[in-house]
Amino acid sequence: DQQVKQNSPSLSVQEGRISILNCDYTNSMFDYFLWYKKYPAEGPTFLISISSIKDKNEDGRFTVFLNKSAKHLSLHIVPSQPGDSAVYFCAASLGEYIFGTGTRLKVLA
Amino acid sequence: NAGVTQTPKFRVLKTGQSMTLLCAQDMNHEYMYWYRQDPGMGLRLIHYSVGEGTTAKGEVPDGYNVSRLKKQNFLLGLESAAPSQTSVYFCASRPLDGYSNQPQHFGDGTRLSIL
Repeated sequence: DQQVKQNSPSLSVQEGRISILNCDYTNSMFDYFLWYKKYPAEGPTFLISISSIKDKNEDGRFTVFLNKSAKHLSLHIVPSQPGDSAVYFCAASLGEYIFGTGTRLKVLA
Repeated sequence: NAGVTQTPKFRVLKTGQSMTLLCAQDMNHEYMYWYRQDPGMGLRLIHYSVGEGTTAKGEVPDGYNVSRLKKQNFLLGLESAAPSQTSVYFCASRPLDGYSNQPQHFGDGTRLSIL
């Protein structure tokens, strides 16, 4: 039973437009959420996080939104750039981190 | 500026062979982790350690053993490799939490094929 789900395996967006990546979770006890970005042949790198006591966190072009009632997390990238093309993983923490299956984002120039 | 270093980067084994994957971190982190990544499965936790001399099982520990004899090193062992263990293995580390969760720092992975 997967506790953290990323239902879109892939997403294509035009350069300059908004990218929205989604993540759903089942356990209401998760207290911290993170997004990681992964390029081919490299390890995941931390992007942005949010505590369960907040509903939004912003860092430059990246904003994470948390909707606790819907158990839904989203990452917005505005504007999208070709260098953002990567696989994005969401993760939820209950002590240790549980990762989603990832969404491959392709930003078209 | 190394961060988390995994050796080797690639390896091909025959079924039944044994091997050890090495993870080294130079950030003085207390926590260390081993994950495997398979297509459509995300990152699944194999084993982890919350400090030197301690280890604990994760989500998919069967067929693997680990040791953390030194704080900076975390070893993942396969005693008798099976084709189902063909995967990309990632090591990660993070510092002890204060009031907030600290993100993990990942190595670049070891691609392991079992024939």
